[in-house]
Amino acid sequence: DVKLVESGGGLVQPGGSLRLSCAASGFTFKNSWMTWVRQAPGKGLEWVATIQEDGSAKYYVDSVKGRFTISRDNAKNSLFLQMSSLRVDDTALYYCARDRFVGATMWFFDFWGQGSLVTVSS
Amino acid sequence: SYVLTQPPSVSVAPGQTARITCGGDNIGHKSVQWYQQKPGQAPVLVVYGDSDRPSGIPERYSGSNSGNTATLTIRRVEAGDEADYSCQVWDSSSDHPVVFGGGTKLTVL
Repeated sequence: DVKLVESGGGLVQPGGSLRLSCAASGFTFKNSWMTWVRQAPGKGLEWVATIQEDGSAKYYVDSVKGRFTISRDNAKNSLFLQMSSLRVDDTALYYCARDRFVGATMWFFDFWGQGSLVTVSS
Repeated sequence: SYVLTQPPSVSVAPGQTARITCGGDNIGHKSVQWYQQKPGQAPVLVVYGDSDRPSGIPERYSGSNSGNTATLTIRRVEAGDEADYSCQVWDSSSDHPVVFGGGTKLTVL
């Protein structure tokens, strides 16, 4: 079974840094694009960042560009999100998800982790 | 960037049919996915490619997409269907390629 387990969340002050991890199992991680999606309290889902299978291409939502870095270690079946210069509005539950592409028109997420809570507050 | 609009809430009695809409400019030209999220749980993909169901998703769940509106239909609604439902598309022409709707809370009366 596909399993995604996030860790690394916590309480951090504005301007601080945090590194999230996602441990993957049950599928061939090195062949999968991976994505971070976040959900602020009481709000909808928001795409944050995506990384290609070999890490050669990375994509970010504008609000985190220059502050967050997505990376992966295919030897350890792990996905990461390094977050710096954190702001109060980065407070959210951060999910890692496995990407799936079908043809040239479908990009979606077929498996999700349970999420890791990041709280940015003084 | 592309915007998806969902009603904040939909209510339906058990056994009835629930319809949750997702509006977007010419969304009929895009492929729409739907995710179910129960309180405290991770999102679950329930429909992809407008109308396909992943394995394990009941046939009661179906989707359609045309013009400016995509619709998730849940027939014979059960108490266990109560959840938030979010639509999602790939806007391939944008720097913000993955777009989610704001979510709809389905309440089973």
